[in-house]
Amino acid sequence: SAVISQKPSRDICQRGTSLTIQCQVDSQVTMMFWYRQQPGQSLTLIATANQGSEATYESGFVIDKFPISRPNLTFSTLTVSNMSPEDSSIYLCSVQGQGFDEQYFGPGTRLTVT
Amino acid sequence: GESVGLHLPTLSVQEGDNSIINCAYSNSASDYFIWYKQESGKGPQFIIDIRSNMDKRQGQRVTVLLNKTVKHLSLQIAATQPGDSAVYFCAEGPNQAGTALIFGKGTTLSVSS
Repeated sequence: SAVISQKPSRDICQRGTSLTIQCQVDSQVTMMFWYRQQPGQSLTLIATANQGSEATYESGFVIDKFPISRPNLTFSTLTVSNMSPEDSSIYLCSVQGQGFDEQYFGPGTRLTVT
Repeated sequence: GESVGLHLPTLSVQEGDNSIINCAYSNSASDYFIWYKQESGKGPQFIIDIRSNMDKRQGQRVTVLLNKTVKHLSLQIAATQPGDSAVYFCAEGPNQAGTALIFGKGTTLSVSS
């Protein structure tokens, strides 16, 4: 299994500002995923981040709003740009294990936009 | 599009009872399913999985049943405990490296003692 940490664990931000969320994994992984979980809802995939290439975004999510960095095999960041109250969600980092059917999750970053 | 979903948003049981959480999926080509448990303030945690060549798989106090004919799976928790209180999600698993899980809507399980 993989141990995943995220920073910050929570934040309250002003409308129009940006927040960068960090994801750190205790082992090298090829595939990392970023999910959004809106209040009381399920997880929705934002993008897939493969080290050394541009992130692949799901329908409804764009790079200008959610830029992602993947500088190495243990770290990734997700930025939520020009925030609005609708961006208030939990943002979760996830990694795929050695077997592609293994997927592990970080504890999430709870974002509130006022 | 294809989706994975759950039947009931909430389930309340007494401690010691057996719990059954249901999930319907629409993609008949799906061949791998996982149940996750998400406690408050935490990320989802793997509970149990099943592949489409099986119709039942048992773990410790948990059993997953898969009915491919009606595209339905369920999670059974035996002797439910207060620590089982959480949101449970079924997810359609990846069929190749680089593809992510697709989550259904969750069921909130509340266990009273």
